[in-house]
Amino acid sequence: NAGVTQTPKFQVLKTGQSMTLQCAQDMNHEYMSWYRQDPGMGLRLIHYSVGAGITDQGEVPNGYNVSRSTTEDFPLRLLSAAPSQTSVYFCASSSHPGLAYEQYFGPGTRLTVT
Amino acid sequence: GDSVTQMEGPVTLSEEAFLTINCTYTATGYPSLFWYVQYPGEGLQLLLKATKADDKGSNKGFEATYRKETTSFHLEKGSVQVSDSAVYFCALSEIRGKLIFGQGTTLQVKP
Repeated sequence: NAGVTQTPKFQVLKTGQSMTLQCAQDMNHEYMSWYRQDPGMGLRLIHYSVGAGITDQGEVPNGYNVSRSTTEDFPLRLLSAAPSQTSVYFCASSSHPGLAYEQYFGPGTRLTVT
Repeated sequence: GDSVTQMEGPVTLSEEAFLTINCTYTATGYPSLFWYVQYPGEGLQLLLKATKADDKGSNKGFEATYRKETTSFHLEKGSVQVSDSAVYFCALSEIRGKLIFGQGTTLQVKP
């Protein structure tokens, strides 16, 4: 199993450009989520999904869009990139959204917006 | 809302020293508590967890006890190694598995 994979690993965008961060998992997990990691702030939840066709907003959803057409994939779209979106982005998945279930994280995408 | 507060880092220790990283939380319900570790250049990995009061999570020599009376989940290890150098995150889980993270504590272990 590859686990949770993310592409690209690094990306530089200009302000106003759009792009999609890819996330895939091969563990047949129903629950997937996107976090951003900023220095001194830990990880903050952007969007999450409890299954194909179902998504919801997390703590910091503005400027991001998601969809979940398959169990395996959960792409994150930046509609019009801003310097404030410079961050490291992590995708995670879990077999169940319940309280005690471990989340498995991908290796991250480091995004710089100039 | 729910929140997690960790001790500020970085924490620098010599090999074989005792480690404590403090973590306290605020929650209205009965969350599960986690410690995740991030090694340089990698994603987060679950280190240990506890799901109810007085539970002790343990893994790789690390331990943490869920203390409801003090709303704490401090991470401890009796003898750290250079390979333990990483960033450690305390987190709690709300409904639907949403993790709320502390700000992270960087540990550097010197030989």
